[in-house]
Amino acid sequence: DVKVTQSSRYLVKRTGEKVFLECVQDMDHENMFWYRQDPGLGLRLIYFSYDVKMKEKGDIPEGYSVSREKKERFSLILESASTNQTSMYLCASSTSGQGEAYEQYFGPGTRLTVT
Amino acid sequence: EDQVTQSPEALRLQEGESSSLNCSYTVSGLRGLFWYRQDPGKGPEFLFTLYSAGEEKEKERLKATLTKKESFLHITAPKPEDSATYLCAVQAWGGSNYKLTFGKGTLLTVNP
Repeated sequence: DVKVTQSSRYLVKRTGEKVFLECVQDMDHENMFWYRQDPGLGLRLIYFSYDVKMKEKGDIPEGYSVSREKKERFSLILESASTNQTSMYLCASSTSGQGEAYEQYFGPGTRLTVT
Repeated sequence: EDQVTQSPEALRLQEGESSSLNCSYTVSGLRGLFWYRQDPGKGPEFLFTLYSAGEEKEKERLKATLTKKESFLHITAPKPEDSATYLCAVQAWGGSNYKLTFGKGTLLTVNP
């Protein structure tokens, strides 16, 4: 079974703090993703990585950065946390190719509260 | 721009009362349509991928179908443990071929 793990289930941080969210997948997937999920807004893509050290901005990258130094690990960084970044953060991974669509597998999520 | 609309937003059923959830989509060229189940406070769990109109897939009490404009998730004789939010997503050919566009989901509650 595909397993995607996230470093914390719940996290409380103060405004202005630097926050690191870690994600690890064990299926040797090329692609990894960070989403946030908010009531009424659904899932929104923050950043995507298709290979080690490669990244692309998603729909809402402002205020976030990412790091992928190893294939299995993808980190989301909030440089200076703000209250509007309080949300559920979801990491996902998928294989890649030129053929059919490939499903994404999600981690359990990190509920981040910024006070 | 790709769009996904799910209806209804919420659905309440009695145990054993079959029904369907709808996912309407607009996409330049459909590469795949995905259904996920999400329990409260957890990450989405993959259910099905559909690739072309006319395709159907089944898993236990769930059956997903696909037309050129929409997909249905049919739930037959649901049980309380089927209560969850069901998410639909599409992936298009071309451009950023990794991108999934998600609907906002249907919250299903099955009462015993």
